Amino acid sequence: AQKITQTQPGMFVQEKEAVTLDCTYDTSDPSYGLFWYKQPSSGEMIFLIYQGSYDQQNATEGRYSLNFQKARKSANLVISASQLGDSAMYFCAMRERTGTASKLTFGTGTRLQVTL
Amino acid sequence: GAVVSQHPSRVICKSGTSVKIECRSLDFQATTMFWYRQFPKKSLMLMATSNEGSKATYEQGVEKDKFLINHASLTLSTLTVTSAHPEDSSFYICSAPLVGGNEQFFGPGTRLTVL
Repeated sequence: AQKITQTQPGMFVQEKEAVTLDCTYDTSDPSYGLFWYKQPSSGEMIFLIYQGSYDQQNATEGRYSLNFQKARKSANLVISASQLGDSAMYFCAMRERTGTASKLTFGTGTRLQVTL
Repeated sequence: GAVVSQHPSRVICKSGTSVKIECRSLDFQATTMFWYRQFPKKSLMLMATSNEGSKATYEQGVEKDKFLINHASLTLSTLTVTSAHPEDSSFYICSAPLVGGNEQFFGPGTRLTVL
């Protein structure tokens, strides 16, 4: 079964608009962490934002915010005021404490294209 | 922030040769490092967990004799692709978690092309 699901293979957004990238997860571990990474065409993985399962508030980092809905097991990434440089692949990932510490499981990714 | 480097960034080799990829944590110690593989337009798939001072832990379906991992020190892990074949061509990325923190830092990746 898929542990991390990203249902949007591709998304378009106009510059300066906000966009939401969807991510749902599945785990029976009560302690877990959720991550979003950006991967531009160069291939590097850029850490964007983290949400812990016990965090009461939604995580925010600059223009990035994570809409964490624990009961629905969703962790959507919201990018506000999109910029052309935001065009990239975006991966949602989950870390579970069972098994190897800090091991990340990635979703299939969403390719975001920011247009003028 | 913490930095992880990888070397080489790009390698082209003939079928049958072995290729070594290095992953270094530059300003922090990493008792654990992870090796991922990414095919074009696909997600990252964990290959193995590299453990300093002990054997690597491989994910199901990953041949340990094919992908040799050595965690020589607290800042260096190496992945050797032995007797490489064209199907081994891929993007290989390492990562290292910050002990006591939530972040996991990724290297810039190595693009391997086997002719």
